[in-house]
Parts: sequence; C-alpha cells; structure tokens
Amino acid sequence: NAGVTQTPKFRILKIGQSMTLQCTQDMNHNYMYWYRQDPGMGLKLIYYSVGAGITDKGEVPNGYNVSRSTTEDFPLRLELAAPSQTSVYFCASSSTGEYNEQFFGPGTRLTVL
Amino acid sequence: GQNIDQPTEMTATEGAIVQINCTYQTSGFNGLFWYQQHAGEAPTFLSYNVLDGLEEKGRFSSFLSRSKGYSYLLLKELQMKDSASYLCAGVDSNYQLIWGAGTKLIIKP
Repeated sequence: NAGVTQTPKFRILKIGQSMTLQCTQDMNHNYMYWYRQDPGMGLKLIYYSVGAGITDKGEVPNGYNVSRSTTEDFPLRLELAAPSQTSVYFCASSSTGEYNEQFFGPGTRLTVL
Repeated sequence: GQNIDQPTEMTATEGAIVQINCTYQTSGFNGLFWYQQHAGEAPTFLSYNVLDGLEEKGRFSSFLSRSKGYSYLLLKELQMKDSASYLCAGVDSNYQLIWGAGTKLIIKP
C-alpha cells in the first residue's frame, strides 16, 4: 500500500493564480482531511470529508474548495492565490472520525509570491 | 474557546528521559493524540489516550488526566533519532482534532 500520496511536493505560485493540490489514499478510508501548517504553528483544518460526495468546512476554509467524487481522491483547489496561503499542506485519512489515528501524506510546500 | 498548550522547545541528553507536557481545553473531550513530526516530514502517530492513566509503548509512554485537562509524553533512553517535534492534539465533541503548535525536542550527545 502506498498510503496517502500528495502531488506536487513543491510549488511556487504568483498572486492570483489557481492550482489544485492532489491527494489520493489506497486504504479505503472513509474520512479524509486537508490541513495547513504554518511555521511554528499547529495544524489547522481546512476541509474534511466523511465519504464520497460529502464535504464540510474546517477551521480555515476561506480561499479553498474541495470535492470528493471517489473514496480515494480528495483534491484541494486554491482560487486566486494570496501570500497568506503560503504554507505546507497535508492531506490525511482515517477509517472513521472517532478514536482513529489519521495517516498523513508527505505534504505539499506552497509558496505564493 | 479551544486551546492546546505545550512548550515550544526542550533540550535533553542522549540516553536520558524527557517529559513533554500538554494542557488542553476543548469543547467536549473524546481523547488525546500524540504525533511525532521530523523536520520536513509528515506527522506520524505515537499514541492515543481516552481514559485516565498511563499507556506504555516501548520507550514511549503517554499519560492522561481528564480532571486536570493534562497529558504528557514520556520518552526514555533517548536516541538522536528522537530529535523531532511532538504534537499534542485533543479530540473535541465533533471528533475534530485540535492541534497544539508542537514541542521541538533537541537531543544532545
């Protein structure tokens, strides 16, 4: 099993550009999450999904969108990139939302200039 | 509000024992996780506590006191590879994880 994979690993965007961060998991997990991690800060939840076709906002959803058309994939879309979105983005998955460890992808390091 | 507090940085000596503390305030409580994160890498699971007491797993142990809103991670026989950030995360009433900023542990020979 590859676990949780994310692409790209690194990306530099110009202000106002858009991009999609890809996330795929092969563990048949129902729950998937997108976090951002700023230097010296904890993980902040952007969006999460409890299953295909269902998504919900987390703590910091503004400027982002998600979709969940399949169990495996949970892409994160950035529209009109801003310098405040410079961060490391982690995708994670878990088999349930309760009492269950989350498995993380390797992260995408995004810089917006 | 919801809050997780843990020290920013700690230093310890190879072979020694270190205790990393975490205090939490969450709306409801459904357990507490500890994750390890090496620099430039993803967090990886270490432990989960939902009942009071000590959970031991090899060189690592985690303790929880629900009445005090307090947890600690105990690392024994420290090795250089234990140099990493240790993240404490409380599970709130919606089963969302509320993350602390992490404690950077520096191990010196």
